[in-house]
Amino acid sequence: DGGITQSPKYLFRKEGQNVTLSCEQNLNHDAMYWYRQDPGQGLRLIYYSQIVNDFQKGDIAEGYSVSREKKESFPLTVTSAQKNPTAFYLCASSIDGRGNTEAFFGQGTRLTVV
Amino acid sequence: KNEVEQSPQNLTAQEGEFITINCSYSVGISALHWLQQHPGGGIVSLFMLSSGKKKHGRLIATINIQEKHSSLHITASHPRDSAVYICAVKQRGSNYKLTFGKGTLLTVNP
Repeated sequence: DGGITQSPKYLFRKEGQNVTLSCEQNLNHDAMYWYRQDPGQGLRLIYYSQIVNDFQKGDIAEGYSVSREKKESFPLTVTSAQKNPTAFYLCASSIDGRGNTEAFFGQGTRLTVV
Repeated sequence: KNEVEQSPQNLTAQEGEFITINCSYSVGISALHWLQQHPGGGIVSLFMLSSGKKKHGRLIATINIQEKHSSLHITASHPRDSAVYICAVKQRGSNYKLTFGKGTLLTVNP
């Protein structure tokens, strides 16, 4: 079955540590996205990638980094520079980056900083 | 002011009732998405539309481009429809960006 897989589902991190969230898709989609969801707020775009080896900052990229070395993988690193990292993180993909095609979402990773 | 506003924020219904969730936006768009988020957090795309009306099973989505308004209707609601429904728009001229509403929490009681 095609889809997007995020792992892990729950993640705990000590303050000051970097942590990497995994996102893999087998849909052969060119575009991939990382969103952050906080209670009472809409999803906000962290980073996006329209093609392999290319990515762009979204609205809230500070304290985060990404890579896109393979078409199917778009890992997100939450660095110690992110001041408020506790949140729900969602990865998504679409056939292309134009936004006029259906977006497919993963099940999310809930990150808690302790 | 948010560019995408949803109403109501919370909605409680009895099984079998007809449900309407509204989405208004203030920017020019090329597409509007309706998404469903279940308690576990995963999101499923329900509809993408740029004009008119789409139907899938008991779900109907409509959009009025002139009025910058879209509605999601659920007929014969069921407890399994309980979820957060999210409206998102792709702004015209943007190559990639979706702007999301805050979501409507729907609870359908048996």
